[in-house]
Amino acid sequence: GAGVSQSPSNKVTEKGKDVELRCDPISGHTALYWYRQSLGQGLEFLIYFQGNSAPDKSGLPSDRFSAERTGGSVSTLTIQRTQQEDSAVYLCASSRPTGEYTGELFFGEGSRLTVL
Amino acid sequence: AQSVTQLGSHVSVSEGALVLLRCNYSSSVPPYLFWYVQYPNQGLQLLLKYTSAATLVKGINGFEAEFKKSETSFHLTKPSAHMSDAAEYFCAVSRSNNFNKFYFGSGTKLNVKP
Repeated sequence: GAGVSQSPSNKVTEKGKDVELRCDPISGHTALYWYRQSLGQGLEFLIYFQGNSAPDKSGLPSDRFSAERTGGSVSTLTIQRTQQEDSAVYLCASSRPTGEYTGELFFGEGSRLTVL
Repeated sequence: AQSVTQLGSHVSVSEGALVLLRCNYSSSVPPYLFWYVQYPNQGLQLLLKYTSAATLVKGINGFEAEFKKSETSFHLTKPSAHMSDAAEYFCAVSRSNNFNKFYFGSGTKLNVKP
């Protein structure tokens, strides 16, 4: 597609439920990132995928968070047993392959998660 | 370790006035530095970047930033603010030898008064 696509754009869930957030990166972009943006805070790095390499999961805040990327394209971020502190905007970004790297991240519009 | 500090979570200027948004970084290796802008209800988009070429970098919409190694700063400026510049601005740093981690500042919301 023309840009990074994220769904759903808004999700309201009850505490304890599981949620899945989807990211469809720009075609041909091999790198994919998930960030979390909480009110009044900067972007918090969650996880990074680059091609077929093992993902960098160092930013995931707890074992309730997981992400996968199927076929090197679409990624799903899963939050199990959601807590109120998980409420945030979850941003996905992608970038070009390393050989064409320009240092630019292309962001989606985000998925706003509200945990009641 | 890398980190980014943006001074001032909110900045308000009058239309036509100078815009100055501050960013200081720490990096153990030569950094790549970025400014991203987020308009309401939109994703972040790249405004400009420094990747070890010219220290004065020009971006879109009349913005520019200067890399000052001695001050570990990368402040964003625009000579004359426009109403359409109202947005949130994020400074970010990545390592020049490892692109996979971008560290973002907490953001500065720019308000432009008529």
